[in-house]
Amino acid sequence: DAEITQSPRHKITETGRQVTLACHQTWNHNNMFWYRQDLGHGLRLIHYSYGVHDTNKGEVSDGYSVSRSNTEDLPLTLESAASSQTSVYFCASSGFVGNGETQYFGPGTRLLVL
Amino acid sequence: QKEVEQNSGPLSVPEGAIASLNCTYSDRGSQSFFWYRQYSGKSPELIMSIYSNGDKEDGRFTAQLNKASQYVSLLIRDSQPSDSATYLCAVKGDYKLSFGAGTTVTVRA
Repeated sequence: DAEITQSPRHKITETGRQVTLACHQTWNHNNMFWYRQDLGHGLRLIHYSYGVHDTNKGEVSDGYSVSRSNTEDLPLTLESAASSQTSVYFCASSGFVGNGETQYFGPGTRLLVL
Repeated sequence: QKEVEQNSGPLSVPEGAIASLNCTYSDRGSQSFFWYRQYSGKSPELIMSIYSNGDKEDGRFTAQLNKASQYVSLLIRDSQPSDSATYLCAVKGDYKLSFGAGTTVTVRA
């Protein structure tokens, strides 16, 4: 079955370190997204991609970057981790089901920045 | 004004009752609307999508959309303990999906 996987599932890092969160999907979807979820804020879009070599900033992109070298993967990099980036990170991909585009989410990565 | 607003909850309903969840959105041009269910510590799971005005039923779930009022709702009939979760309303704009903060529902036996 097609799926989205994220790794690692849990990560503890220190302030100032570079961290990369992996996202891999086997849906063959062109569209992929990274969100962070914090209490009281819901899901907020960090970056998104509509295809290979395409990347776009979302509403909370400062301090994050992504690259898209193939259809399956969209890694998220925290250039210099900050305590404010402690959060749960979800990757998603979307495809057309029925009348519209539907997003499917990965299991999430819990990141703690000390 | 937030793009997508949900009734804040938490919402506690007895088993077998109807749970009613509400959502309003600000982008009048939005065309696609979704309800996701999220269990504690898990990822969001799509339970309903609706694209045109009116009601859409799927099992015990009914989504209602009124584009003129910029309002979408979710009814959960015959609520079960397994329905206890946070429900996220999501609205598709030009390029992205915007989410509400979620409403936590607890179904008490």
